Amino acid sequence: DAKTTQPPSMDCAEGRAANLPCNHSTISGNEYVYWYRQIHSQGPQYIIHGLKNNETNEMASLIITEDRKSSTLILPHATLRDTAVYYCIDFNAGGTSYGKLTFGQGTILTVHP
Amino acid sequence: DVKVTQSSRYLVKRTGEKVFLECVQDMDHENMFWYRQDPGLGLRLIYFSYDVKMKEKGDIPEGYSVSREKKERFSLILESASTNQTSMYLCASSSTAKTGYRTQYFGPGTRLLVL
Repeated sequence: DAKTTQPPSMDCAEGRAANLPCNHSTISGNEYVYWYRQIHSQGPQYIIHGLKNNETNEMASLIITEDRKSSTLILPHATLRDTAVYYCIDFNAGGTSYGKLTFGQGTILTVHP
Repeated sequence: DVKVTQSSRYLVKRTGEKVFLECVQDMDHENMFWYRQDPGLGLRLIYFSYDVKMKEKGDIPEGYSVSREKKERFSLILESASTNQTSMYLCASSSTAKTGYRTQYFGPGTRLLVL
C-alpha cells in the first residue's frame, strides 16, 4: 500500500504556478521525500527530493513542513508539457536497502492553455 | 545529465519466445533495476543488481532472469514469454553515493505485448 496520499487530479492554467500537495503521515526519520513525474507512455522522470529543508532546482521547488508530514511540489510557471502524473514517495535509500521505489496513484496534473 | 537507454520502445512477441530487454546507463552507476508497471498495480520490482555479476530478486522475479556482465549494462530475460508478461518494463539506475542520494533515474520504458 502506498504510504503517501495525493489528490487524484488537479488542473492548472498555463503560465501559472502549479502547487501539488502530498501527505506523508507515516514518514520515518531516515526517509527522504521524492517527487517523480510520468508523462504518458514514458519512463518516470526524477524531479526533486528533500529531507527537512525546502529545496529548489531548475525544474521545481519542494516545500516540506516542519513535522515532515506533508510536502508541496511547486512548478512555478506551468506549461502544457508539464501535463503528467506526479508521484510523491517516501524513499529510504539507506541501510541495507538499495531502494525499491513504490509509486502510489499519484496526481494527474492537467495544464490548460 | 544521466542517461538510461533501453533497447526497444515497443516489442511484440509470441507466447513461448525468449525475450531480451537491454538497458544501458552512462553514469557509472553501481545499482541497476528492472521494474514492470501495470495499470492499477503500480511499479513492481523484478530484479536489481548492485554490482557486476551480482543480482538480487525483487518482488516478482518468477518467469524472469537477469544478466549484468558489464557495469553499464543490465539485461532482463523472459525465458518463455507468456501473455501475463505483457507490460511496460522500466529500467533504472542509481549511484551508491552517500545515504539519501541514491536517486533512481529511469529509461524511457519498453512496452511489451505478448500474443
